[in-house]
Amino acid sequence: NAGVTQTPKFQVLKTGQSMTLQCAQDMNHNSMYWYRQDPGMGLRLIYYSASEGTTDKGEVPNGYNVSRLNKREFSLRLESAAPSQTSVYFCASSEITLRQARGAFFGQGTRLTVV
Amino acid sequence: GNSVTQMEGPVTLSEEAFLTINCTYTATGYPSLFWYVQYPGEGLQLLLKATKADDKGSNKGFEATYRKETTSFHLEKGSVQVSDSAVYFCALSDQNTGNQFYFGTGTSLTVIP
Repeated sequence: NAGVTQTPKFQVLKTGQSMTLQCAQDMNHNSMYWYRQDPGMGLRLIYYSASEGTTDKGEVPNGYNVSRLNKREFSLRLESAAPSQTSVYFCASSEITLRQARGAFFGQGTRLTVV
Repeated sequence: GNSVTQMEGPVTLSEEAFLTINCTYTATGYPSLFWYVQYPGEGLQLLLKATKADDKGSNKGFEATYRKETTSFHLEKGSVQVSDSAVYFCALSDQNTGNQFYFGTGTSLTVIP
């Protein structure tokens, strides 16, 4: 049971380059999320998808776009990478029904460096 | 709005010491509360959760009680081990805000033998 799988695990980009971070979950969860983690800042929500076919901005969406390709997959795209986007990116998924939140399940992260 | 505040770290304890990591929250509705643990180089793992007032979540010797009157969800463990060294995150989820999760900034714990 893979859970949440992110690719790639590491990436170095030059300023201005573009890339897509891939995320897939095999738990049949409705909701998926992209976070970034920076020292001293905790996790900040970039975008989320409450259900297939919907996406919404989180706390720090500027410079990013997302696609909820199907129920399993939720990708994050950097159109023109900037050094400020150097971070560790985490994808997560969750299933929340009838006010009972079961918690979010996280991938292993993508360490992105923009030079 | 929704937010989580947890105690600043880092925290350093000797093995078998008692652990408390404070967490308080602000929420517009009736949130579910969580503690996550992150080991070096890994993603976050759900440690425990509580979904309503006075619920106690517990796992691996860790406990936290959902206190609505003090809007708190403090993490405790009676006797820490070296293997508990990690970063701990308090979080809440509120259906009123589209199933988003809100995280604290994390507390780094180091347990020394």
